[in-house]
Order: sequence, then structure tokens, then C-alpha cells
Amino acid sequence: NAGVMQNPRHLVRRRGQEARLRCSPMKGHSHVYWYRQLPEEGLKFMVYLQKENIIDESGMPKERFSAEFPKEGPSILRIQQVVRGDSAAYFCASSPSLDYGYTFGSGTRLTVV
Amino acid sequence: AQTVTQSQPEMSVQEAETVTLSCTYDTSENNYYLFWYKQPPSRQMILVIRQEAYKQQNATENRFSVNFQKAAKSFSLKISDSQLGDTAMYFCALTPTQGAQKLVFGQGTRLTINP
Repeated sequence: NAGVMQNPRHLVRRRGQEARLRCSPMKGHSHVYWYRQLPEEGLKFMVYLQKENIIDESGMPKERFSAEFPKEGPSILRIQQVVRGDSAAYFCASSPSLDYGYTFGSGTRLTVV
Repeated sequence: AQTVTQSQPEMSVQEAETVTLSCTYDTSENNYYLFWYKQPPSRQMILVIRQEAYKQQNATENRFSVNFQKAAKSFSLKISDSQLGDTAMYFCALTPTQGAQKLVFGQGTRLTINP
């Protein structure tokens, strides 16, 4: 089992461009979480998804951010029209069930220039 | 709302010493999990130890142990016989056992182990 795979590891975007961050959960894991880590801070919850459903998006900014976890393929966190304040590390985590605890990926560092 | 507070932004000890990282939290939930995560320079979030709030016995994992004081809402991490590889950011985190199980993290403590 390869663990939670996130790509790209580093992503540079100019202001106004779109950023797409991918997360492939561990095999057999149907619960996916996205977190954002600003420099020198702890991780902050963004969204929780199960296959084809958004369960809790209370941590997602209201505009420009969206997430999906399709029936086939990785989970995608999409940021439209990026701004400098979006620069952060974005982590994905997956779990087989709610009582199991979850495993983090290595994160994607987004830099907006 | 739940909050987690780590009051020590940085700590530094000599190799082989014992070090204790502090964490306090606030929650209105009756049952919850508490965690310590380690984040080395590689950025990977690594689970160090986990405690279920209804268990009175403190969790231990090899050189890592916790002092869980439920009434005081305190959850400190003790690292014994510290090693150079323990150098990392350490985050305390909390999640209720019910619902979406979103983790709430503290601000982190940067721990440096000196040779």
C-alpha cells in the first residue's frame, strides 16, 4: 500500500491562475479530508468528502475553492483565480472509516507569485 | 467550538535528555480523541501517539508517553532519551469521536535536539 499520494509536491501559480491539487487515498479508504497549513501555523480543516459526496465543507472559503472526490480517480482540490494569500501547504488525509483515525499525505506546497 | 493551545513555540534539549511538550484544550464534547503529530522538515505529518478521552490510562509508544489530565484539559507529551531524529515541529490535535472527526490543531512547538 503506497500510502496517501499527493501531487504535485510543489506548485507555482501566477495570480489569477487556477491551481489543481490531487490526492489519491490509500487503497480501501473512502473518507478524504483536506487541510491547509499557513507558514508557522498548525493545520486547519477545509473539507471532508466521501466518494461522490461532500460531507462537511465548513472550513472552505466561500469563493474560489472547491473539492470533489469522484467515483473513479483522485480527490481534487481546486482553487480558482489564486491570490498571494492562498500560498500554503495543502494536506490530504484518508481513512477507511470514521473510528479508525487517518493517514496524511506529504502535502502540496502552493506558491502564488 | 474546540480549541487547542500549545504555549511553547520553541524548545531545545540535548540528545538523550527527556523533554515534555505542553498542550491544553477546550471542548464541550464528552468523548474525543487527542493526538500528537510530528512534522519533520520533510513536511510529512506523522502520528506519534493517540489517546481516547474515556480511557484513564495514559498512552505510551516506546519513548513517547502522554500525561492526560482530563479535568484540567491538559495533554502533554513526554519524549524520553531524545534522539537527533526527534527534531521536528510537534502538533497537538483534538477531534470528537462523533460526527465528521475533523482535527483541530494547536499552533505547534518546534523541538530541536542538540548533539
